[in-house]
Amino acid sequence: DIQMTQSPASLSASLGETVTIECLASEDIYSNLAWYQQKPGKSPQLLIYYANSLNDGVPSRFSGSGSGTQYSLKINSLQSEDVSIYFCQQNYDSPPTFGGGTKLELK
Amino acid sequence: QVQLKESGPGLVQPSRTLSLTCTVSGFSLTSYGVSWVRQPPGKGLEWIAAIWSGGSTDYNSALKSRLSISRDTSKSQVLLKMNSLQTEDTAMYFCARLRGGPYVMDAWGQGASVTVSS
Repeated sequence: DIQMTQSPASLSASLGETVTIECLASEDIYSNLAWYQQKPGKSPQLLIYYANSLNDGVPSRFSGSGSGTQYSLKINSLQSEDVSIYFCQQNYDSPPTFGGGTKLELK
Repeated sequence: QVQLKESGPGLVQPSRTLSLTCTVSGFSLTSYGVSWVRQPPGKGLEWIAAIWSGGSTDYNSALKSRLSISRDTSKSQVLLKMNSLQTEDTAMYFCARLRGGPYVMDAWGQGASVTVSS
């Protein structure tokens, strides 16, 4: 199985700040990388697919980048509603696997 | 609009079989696939199984011997069965629609909580 390693595991940032979350795959996943946001007590929601494609309705302050084994999610101008856990997921090979998650809190 | 809703027993005894149903609306199971994903309390996400729009299935190899996924298109339902349940199967179980690439899950249900306990 492809292992997905996310960093950092937790992150504290101020409103208006820019934050970046990293995801490292154990092998090349050819940009088959999705990001999900999970708010407390809710189900995950798709933010980005194919590394940099924004899902419908997702604010443009979210962006994704990367290739090969290294990917990142950037959130510009952090808002209070962005407090969540973020997961990356490779969808290149079965079984699809998730990173361990990054818990984003407000400072 | 697109909706998915999980339903299940809530509490299952160890060694018994879990049956979960995902009822969808706003899309057709013959046009989109559906996956199951679970999340133990306070932990990360684990993909369980998928059934594709054509009816083919895929399973997490770590769980495959215990799983069965099927669908009833007339009822817009996807069914997941998992046997030989253990306490480590305690989790929130989500179903999700597949779209935007293989195994990309663009819409999720609210989840069904499953506790394995005697």
